[in-house]
Amino acid sequence: SQTIHQWPATLVQPVGSPLSLECTVEGTSNPNLYWYRQAAGRGLQLLFYSVGIGQISSEVPQNLSASRPQDRQFILSSKKLLLSDSGFYLCAWSSPGAVGFAFFGQGTRLTVV
Amino acid sequence: GQNIDQPTEMTATEGAIVQINCTYQTSGFNGLFWYQQHAGEAPTFLSYNVLDGLEEKGRFSSFLSRSKGYSYLLLKELQMKDSASYLCAVRGDSGAGSYQLTFGKGTKLSVIP
Repeated sequence: SQTIHQWPATLVQPVGSPLSLECTVEGTSNPNLYWYRQAAGRGLQLLFYSVGIGQISSEVPQNLSASRPQDRQFILSSKKLLLSDSGFYLCAWSSPGAVGFAFFGQGTRLTVV
Repeated sequence: GQNIDQPTEMTATEGAIVQINCTYQTSGFNGLFWYQQHAGEAPTFLSYNVLDGLEEKGRFSSFLSRSKGYSYLLLKELQMKDSASYLCAVRGDSGAGSYQLTFGKGTKLSVIP
């Protein structure tokens, strides 16, 4: 069966520090991978998606970046965090032919102080 | 672009029926999805509609009218564990939109005894 792992679960980082969140998927090949952010009082906002290794599409201009170094690994990064980067970050995957049927990781609660 | 509207909060009584509405205006449409999200947790898939009509799945049903840009999620025989946020999401039908879901802000449902 397929599983998705996302870590860490919670993170408190000072403004200006770097960020690296990692997500891995098991039990499937060539998944679509997604990074979403959910800020308080707002809906899930798609940040990045990837349909293959090295292929990253960005939906929202920001100081975040994403990389997909391996087929089932998706990384969200920042060189310098802003206060506005605080939120609940969710990684998700779907089969290429079943985009809407996304499976989410457990999320990372990021607080920038 | 995509615009998805749903009520912010609803309250219903245990054992009752509740209907959560969602309206959308999108540049393309290739399916509407409902997700359930308990506080602090990741969303989980509930239902999917791509054609007009009602899809039933146990206590949960979802309805779609593409001409009206309207969907609802119907929850029957409410239980306390149904207290959660319910997210409406739309998939686009072409280009970048076909690879992603656009989510509404979610409806927070509180079930009271």
